[in-house]
Amino acid sequence: QSALTQPASVSGSPGQSITISCTGTSSDVGGYNYVSWYQQHPGKAPKLMIYDVSNRPSGVSNRFSGSKSGNTASLTISGLQAEDEADYYCSSYTSSSTGVVFGGGTKLTVL
Amino acid sequence: EVQLVESGGVVVQPGGSLRLSCAASGFTFDDYAMHWVRQAPGKGLEWVSLISWDGGSTYYADSVKGRFTISRDNSKNSLYLQMNSLRAEDTALYYCAKDIGVVGSLLTFDYWGQGTLVTVSS
Repeated sequence: QSALTQPASVSGSPGQSITISCTGTSSDVGGYNYVSWYQQHPGKAPKLMIYDVSNRPSGVSNRFSGSKSGNTASLTISGLQAEDEADYYCSSYTSSSTGVVFGGGTKLTVL
Repeated sequence: EVQLVESGGVVVQPGGSLRLSCAASGFTFDDYAMHWVRQAPGKGLEWVSLISWDGGSTYYADSVKGRFTISRDNSKNSLYLQMNSLRAEDTALYYCAKDIGVVGSLLTFDYWGQGTLVTVSS
């Protein structure tokens, strides 16, 4: 069982916006701003999309945005494109074990 | 260009040992903390271990604490993971990942290798 809870799947049509949630506790998501989001295409290594809740690394499209409210972080993808179809994982620092915890992952399907 | 190349993954029997290596290039290796992250076949990501830029501090997931040891050789731009007392549940693709923070760890992985597969089976 993953420490952070994500929906198993979400879907959307090209051009639409979707949001993926990531729910933790006050020991991780709610207590710190070390929340990151990663995109993983099949057979590929993960790619950093968002860090520190809402910061985008250089080269990541501004269609990707992150936010947090209480113990839940969110990744929003606007203007969905076919290449956005992938698995998405959130992660956070956790004080419970002084390390990093991941969500179980969300499969995004672009219809 | 940042490159991380893992090696050392093989099939090993339960209870066995293995050492993974990660060769880094394209950045100043000794400026950054480094991590190992694993992914069991068809499953999600699991953080395994972190080592500080100078090797002075190390941290482990509870699932591997006492069995795995992370280390680095900054003179060789290399990261290692010594894995002992291996179990079937350690079967996974092991990724080497660079931390985004300079000197201090921000617990964020901005570059990943392609992974090396460890299979624990009799």
